[in-house]
Amino acid sequence: GAVVSQHPSWVICKSGTSVKIECRSLDFQATTMFWYRQFPKQSLMLMATSNEGSKATYEQGVEKDKFLINHASLTLSTLTVTSAHPEDSSFYICSSGLAGGYNEQFFGPGTRLTVL
Amino acid sequence: GQQLNQSPQSMFIQEGEDVSMNCTSSSIFNTWLWYKQEPGEGPVLLIALYKAGELTSNGRLTAQFGITRKDSFLNISASIPSDVGIYFCAGRSNTGKLIFGQGTTLQVKP
Repeated sequence: GAVVSQHPSWVICKSGTSVKIECRSLDFQATTMFWYRQFPKQSLMLMATSNEGSKATYEQGVEKDKFLINHASLTLSTLTVTSAHPEDSSFYICSSGLAGGYNEQFFGPGTRLTVL
Repeated sequence: GQQLNQSPQSMFIQEGEDVSMNCTSSSIFNTWLWYKQEPGEGPVLLIALYKAGELTSNGRLTAQFGITRKDSFLNISASIPSDVGIYFCAGRSNTGKLIFGQGTTLQVKP
């Protein structure tokens, strides 16, 4: 299957700072990547769909100015949590796959964000 | 919006027992996927189903895509301690997005 990596695997930051999370496809070109958020003991919730070379599509209720997504190349998408607050603490996971990820989606290992 | 109902929410079984979990939806899906997630990690794809009625196996795992395209089940035979984790079903809609079930937490007693 397709391999997706994320960096960093965990990050702790102070309230008000911005944090960037990277998602890379290692052995395929990802025209589309997906960003999810998962709170403890809950399921995955899609935040946005990241399209290479164009603007991301955000799900209802997700603030695009707070969660900035950049998909500048076929192997890298970044999610920046701007002016992070404790309620943004969560597990952020990206996914992608062959055929734009619209068949099988493979997930990265996730990034644990803790905002103090 | 579309929702998936996954059951049971949790299971605590003895090693060697078989396990069954399922997902139902009020909407039709084109693809059903089953994932396993361990603590602090991303979900790992177990089985992908693309056609109604399809029955697919992956080792001790077997999953089926319901004929109505609104449900799917996952069976695990002869469970072992390393089967412990959270199992998620996910359906892919016409929009291409994945909708996830609430997850089934599996615990296996040696």
